[in-house]
Amino acid sequence: GAVVSQHPSWVICKSGTSVKIECRSLDFQATTMFWYRQFPKQSLMLMATSNEGSKATYEQGVEKDKFLINHASLTLSTLTVTSAHPEDSSFYICSAPPTGGGPYNSPLHFGNGTRLTVT
Amino acid sequence: QKEVEQNSGPLSVPEGAIASLNCTYSDRVSQSFFWYRQYSGKSPELIMSIYSNGDKEDGRFTAQLNKASQYVSLLIRDSQPSDSATYLCALHSGGGADGLTFGKGTHLIIQP
Repeated sequence: GAVVSQHPSWVICKSGTSVKIECRSLDFQATTMFWYRQFPKQSLMLMATSNEGSKATYEQGVEKDKFLINHASLTLSTLTVTSAHPEDSSFYICSAPPTGGGPYNSPLHFGNGTRLTVT
Repeated sequence: QKEVEQNSGPLSVPEGAIASLNCTYSDRVSQSFFWYRQYSGKSPELIMSIYSNGDKEDGRFTAQLNKASQYVSLLIRDSQPSDSATYLCALHSGGGADGLTFGKGTHLIIQP
């Protein structure tokens, strides 16, 4: 089945530094990648949608200058958390939609997630 | 604004019993509904998908959808300790490549 490889699986960084999270589609081309964030005991919240070759679409309340998304190729999307602060500590998950668009009749392909801890 | 409501639990069920998980949603145009299982610190994994009213069975799992009542449920028969996890209800609206909207999840505990 289709695989999305997400790295790193966990990262600890100091406040004020930047962290880059990568998601690669290993055996398919992902023109779209969804980026979710999940705080403890909370739901997955969609942060933004990246599209290959165009600007990402951010959800309301998500700072686009803080969470930089790049989708330069059909197999790689990256999320960079700039000037990270402790409140950015969370579980970040990428997900690619099934090929063929919606309505979805097959599952999304999730990365394994990145646990970010900002000290 | 799409909303997906779930009881956060924890829901405690004896091993071998039926676990019943419920979810309501606000967006009437939602077309696709999913149940994901998430273990702590892991990504969600798909358990069931359902698109039309009625029941859909897959092994020990049965998903039920009632679009008129905006209600979707998941039944787990012969519950096993390995079923202990958080179960996320999710929906997708429209025909575009949009992200899913997730509920907060129900924490299920299967007691041996």
